[in-house]
Amino acid sequence: AQKITQTQPGMFVQEKEAVTLDCTYDTSDQSYGLFWYKQPSSGEMIFLIYQGSYDEQNATEGRYSLNFQKARKSANLVISASQLGDSAMYFCAMREPYSGGGADGLTFGKGTHLIIQP
Amino acid sequence: KAGVTQTPRYLIKTRGQQVTLSCSPISGHRSVSWYQQTPGQGLQFLFEYFSETQRNKGNFPGRFSGRQFSNSRSEMNVSTLELGDSALYLCASSQGAGTGELFFGEGSRLTVL
Repeated sequence: AQKITQTQPGMFVQEKEAVTLDCTYDTSDQSYGLFWYKQPSSGEMIFLIYQGSYDEQNATEGRYSLNFQKARKSANLVISASQLGDSAMYFCAMREPYSGGGADGLTFGKGTHLIIQP
Repeated sequence: KAGVTQTPRYLIKTRGQQVTLSCSPISGHRSVSWYQQTPGQGLQFLFEYFSETQRNKGNFPGRFSGRQFSNSRSEMNVSTLELGDSALYLCASSQGAGTGELFFGEGSRLTVL
């Protein structure tokens, strides 16, 4: 089973509308971290937002917020008031503990290609 | 504050050659991890270094190796290149090992002919 599932391969959204990008995850660990990254065509992975599994409040960073529903294992990214520059690939990722101590590398979903239309 | 710097940004090699990629983390960050991105496999974890020690390794053959220096800079090496090694190699840094936010560089795009 995939650990990170992003069910929307592509999305077209009108400029200034809010966007929700879906992400569900699968883990048996209690302690984990959830990340969202933006990757424009240049290739750089731009960090957007982070949510720890023990964080009680949903993370927010400017126009980005993470709708964290732990019982449903869901970590959707919400972009308010979308802009043309938001057009990019968006990746959801998870970091889990590993048996050797510390944490494992990030496990990424397959991404959502978001296109903002004027 | 400078971000994560990767060099070279682009390179072309032929099968059988080897390649070394370099990554300078954000100042003060002691953890560096490497990822491979391909259209078919997506983003996959290669390895992570903290304080010059490899802490964790992904499911890649021994041709992929890395190291970290005392100034936290890291290099990864791929020997005996294969066509399938063509990919974007991304380096990420974080303050601690396995904690908090990871910040990525722009990547090194390797093409193997």
